[in-house]
Parts: sequence; C-alpha cells; structure tokens
Amino acid sequence: AQSVTQLDSQVPVFEEAPVELRCNYSSSVSVYLFWYVQYPNQGLQLLLKYLSGSTLVKGINGFEAEFNKSQTSFHLRKPSVHISDTAEYFCAVSASGGSYIPTFGRGTSLIVHP
Amino acid sequence: DADVTQTPRNRITKTGKRIMLECSQTKGHDRMYWYRQDPGLGLRLIYYSFDVKDINKGEISDGYSVSRQAQAKFSLSLESAIPNQTALYFCATSEGGVNTGELFFGEGSRLTVL
Repeated sequence: AQSVTQLDSQVPVFEEAPVELRCNYSSSVSVYLFWYVQYPNQGLQLLLKYLSGSTLVKGINGFEAEFNKSQTSFHLRKPSVHISDTAEYFCAVSASGGSYIPTFGRGTSLIVHP
Repeated sequence: DADVTQTPRNRITKTGKRIMLECSQTKGHDRMYWYRQDPGLGLRLIYYSFDVKDINKGEISDGYSVSRQAQAKFSLSLESAIPNQTALYFCATSEGGVNTGELFFGEGSRLTVL
C-alpha cells in the first residue's frame, strides 16, 4: 500500500519570499508523484508530475519539485511567491500495486501575505 | 465548457433523503472516480470505474453507491443521507497506465446534510 504525508497543514509566507511545501511518501514499489493545487471554490488541477527521468520537475506558475528516492520525498518549491499562489496544495502518489490510482496527502494551505 | 461537469454544485438536504450527484465528461477517458474532501483529511476515494462494466469500491464506500451509465457519465448516490456525509465531492477522470495519477477534476459538489 502507498501513503503520503504532508508535514505542514499550513504555511504562511510573505509575498516574494521563497517557499517549500514538504511531502513524504511510502511505497514498496516504484512510484509516480504529483502535486495538485486547489484555488478557493475550485476543483483541483495538476501543478506538476514525476513519472521518470530527471528528478527535478518543473510545473506551472513557476513551481518545481525534486524527487528524492533515498529520502522518499517530493518537496514543492517556488523561489518567489505571489498573493495569487494562496491555495491548498496536495501531494499524491501512485504505484502499480494500487492500479496507479493516486493516494492524496491531507493538503497544505499556503497563505501568502502582502 | 468544462471537460468534467458536476451537478448540482451545491445541495442542502435532510437526514434520510436520497441524493444523486451526477458527473459527465468530454475528455474521452475510460477511467472515472468519485472523491470526498473534508477539511484536514485531504481527498478520499469513494468509488472508481475503469470502464462501463467495471465498478470498484474505494476506501470509504459505505453509505454510497454509483452507476456508470455510459463512458461519459458516472453518478454517485447516497441512499439515505446522514450528517457526516456533509462534504465536498469531486468527480475526476484519467487515462490508464502510469498516467492514471494525472486526474482531471470537476468543480465539485458541495453537499450539506441537516
């Protein structure tokens, strides 16, 4: 079985500051990793994904994440956040053992202050 | 128009009532899902369907049922709603294989059970 732990339920940050949202996973087989973003009153949309290849993955809106197999982590980073980045962020993991259906973390609320 | 459409977007009902949430998609995907979102709990899988004749329970299927009327339509029913089913419900679709983890979500259906 696979699982995801998002270590911070809420991350406050000031505009233009860097941010890192942490995600750790567990799985007994090879994994595929995803970050989704949910803006207020909207559905989730894919921010970025790691399927294979380079461990540094770039996504939309200037976000990037790095797959670290030894630390079983997939942390999300942005060098300079904007007010518009205020949203809920979900890390998800999928694997062949679970028919590739993703398991989601509990989410991290990113709050960007002016 | 949205690729994944959910109706109704908001519904308030009373304990014991039967409720149906509907989902239709124009993505052409075979795989469809129903998730439930509760604050602090992330997204939890209720039911999923890999094609019209394939329906599977997720981690929290008790109290719910589904119907896959066509490739494009997947509905979720609460036969006798109870207050702890108050939540935000999402329908999602995906391709198969390793791309299963890349979900396309609807805007959500907010259900309140009084």
